[in-house]
Amino acid sequence: DAGVTQSPTHLIKTRGQQVTLRCSPKSGHDTVSWYQQALGQGPQFIFQYYEEEERQRGNFPDRFSGHQFPNYSSELNVNALLLGDSALYLCASSLDLLTSAGEQYFGPGTRLTVT
Amino acid sequence: AQSVTQPDIHITVSEGASLELRCNYSYGATPYLFWYVQSPGQGLQLLLKYFSGDTLVQGIKGFEAEFKRSQSSFNLRKPSVHWSDAAEYFCAVGALTGGGNKLTFGTGTQLKVEL
Repeated sequence: DAGVTQSPTHLIKTRGQQVTLRCSPKSGHDTVSWYQQALGQGPQFIFQYYEEEERQRGNFPDRFSGHQFPNYSSELNVNALLLGDSALYLCASSLDLLTSAGEQYFGPGTRLTVT
Repeated sequence: AQSVTQPDIHITVSEGASLELRCNYSYGATPYLFWYVQSPGQGLQLLLKYFSGDTLVQGIKGFEAEFKRSQSSFNLRKPSVHWSDAAEYFCAVGALTGGGNKLTFGTGTQLKVEL
């Protein structure tokens, strides 16, 4: 049973550029959440997707956007990159709330470095 | 809004000694509580969870946690620590609001194990 997978593993971008990160959820999961983890901090919730729609959003600017595809995989897009966007980006998948209570499984993350 | 406090940034224990990591949460309703572990450069692995029922929950790798509503705490314990337990530990509260189930994490406790 494949767990949550993310690509790429590492990424280096320049300020002002745009980046797309990808996530495939655990088999059978239909909900995908994205988190940003800055160095030495706990993960911070960016947003959550269910049925191809953004269901909930954290305190992140509109430069952060996402998408969920019919196969439940997801992308995180960040525009106009800032140095402060350097972080580990974690994807987590879960079952819909009707069948679970929020138990989320995390992927290994994508390490984004903005120079 | 929900929040999590992990008062200990670093903890050092000797191998074979007992361990307790502290977690305090703030949430208006009955919380869903989680402990995750993160090895360097890796994603988060779920150790255990509390949804309802028995306030003492058992997890993987010999860990357990006790939910104490009166103290708003969910401390993680292990009777005998192994060197491989050295990692960062995150406590999280799940908030079922706005149709979503986002996790709010503490800042983490770094565990060092002395041989």
